[in-house]
Amino acid sequence: DIQMSQSPSSMSASVGDRVTITCRASQGIRNYVAWFQQKPGKAPKSLIYAASILHSGVPSKFSGSGSGTDFTLTISSLQPEDFATYYCLQYNVYPHTFGGGTKVEIK
Amino acid sequence: QVQLVQSGAEVKKPGASVKVSCKASGYTFTTYYMHWVRQAPGQGLEWMGIINPTGGSTTFAQRFQGRLTMTRDTSTSTVYMELTSLRSEDTAVYYCARVEFDGSGFPVPGAYWGQGSLVTVSS
Repeated sequence: DIQMSQSPSSMSASVGDRVTITCRASQGIRNYVAWFQQKPGKAPKSLIYAASILHSGVPSKFSGSGSGTDFTLTISSLQPEDFATYYCLQYNVYPHTFGGGTKVEIK
Repeated sequence: QVQLVQSGAEVKKPGASVKVSCKASGYTFTTYYMHWVRQAPGQGLEWMGIINPTGGSTTFAQRFQGRLTMTRDTSTSTVYMELTSLRSEDTAVYYCARVEFDGSGFPVPGAYWGQGSLVTVSS
């Protein structure tokens, strides 16, 4: 199975900060990476697919990049509603696999 | 609009089985694959498997070999996830999540999610 190593596992940030989360795949997965946001008690929400394409309705402060094994999710200016847990997912091969998650907390 | 409505919470004893349903509406049921994902309390997301509603073919994570069955009923636009030989580690919220395709045909996993179904395994 492909392992998705996500870092950091948690972070504290302030409103207005630029935040970057990374995922590294244990083998090449082209650009078949998606990013999700999850808030407590809620289902995950799709943010980005194909490594860099914003899902419909997602604000442009979110961006994704990468190909092959290294991927990043960037939030350009953190807002109160962005405090949540973020997950990457590789869907290049079965079984699909999630990263361990990054919890973004208020500093 | 696309809606995925899952069945309610269940409490099961170790060794028992559970069957969670996910009723789809707002689109042509057989057009899009459906994932199953679970999340243990305080833990991350875990991909379990995927079903093609057209023919019913499935692919699942090897760790669920022999315990996981995914089925669908096209007459009611419902997919089902059945997990057998339950153990305490199977206590989790189980989600169905539908695939989408963008304008160029690129797959979008988890474009739509059910609300989740809590399964508690306890003696």
